[in-house]
Amino acid sequence: DAGVIQSPRHEVTEMGQEVTLRCKPISGHDYLFWYRQTMMRGLELLIYFNNNVPIDDSGMPEDRFSAKMPNASFSTLKIQPSEPRDSAVYFCASSFRGVGYTFGSGTRLTVV
Amino acid sequence: QQQVKQSPQSLIVQKGGISIINCAYENTAFDYFPWYQQFPGKGPALLIAIRPDVSEKKEGRFTISFNKSAKQFSLHIMDSQPGDSATYFCAASGVFPNDYKLSFGAGTTVTVRA
Repeated sequence: DAGVIQSPRHEVTEMGQEVTLRCKPISGHDYLFWYRQTMMRGLELLIYFNNNVPIDDSGMPEDRFSAKMPNASFSTLKIQPSEPRDSAVYFCASSFRGVGYTFGSGTRLTVV
Repeated sequence: QQQVKQSPQSLIVQKGGISIINCAYENTAFDYFPWYQQFPGKGPALLIAIRPDVSEKKEGRFTISFNKSAKQFSLHIMDSQPGDSATYFCAASGVFPNDYKLSFGAGTTVTVRA
């Protein structure tokens, strides 16, 4: 298996623009998680899905953030409009029954 | 607030030495405690994990010690090697089918000097 695949690896965008991050989880995994990593706040859980259904989005910082999982093999995290404080590394992870998360390589987002 | 407190923030150890990282938690519903290793530019990778029914788990040079009454657990890296230089995160969660979203500690940057 190729693991969890995230795209793009790097994204530089201007403030106010829409940003879409993509994730392909490991086949057969039933949970998908979106995390954000910054120096100040460490690894923060934004939202997670079980069988494509959002279970907990309490970590989503504000309404500018949204996430979808239209099928078992694809998820998106969208920021609209983006702000400089959204600059971070965004990780997607998947797991089977919550044990042993596998993380993707992340998307480094820079909002200028 | 951080549900898992991790220390130290960073440490330097000589090759062949022992690295020790400590974590503490408050939520008694936690019953799964993994450690993750992260190299620059990569995502965290599962290193070793423990459940509270055992007090110690060893995999190669990595050992988790768990103290349920104190609500503390630690990672020991024996015979540290330069390739172990990375950031280590402790984490905690419940287990299936309960709420088991992982809460991470702040991370410890380990530098192993040759």
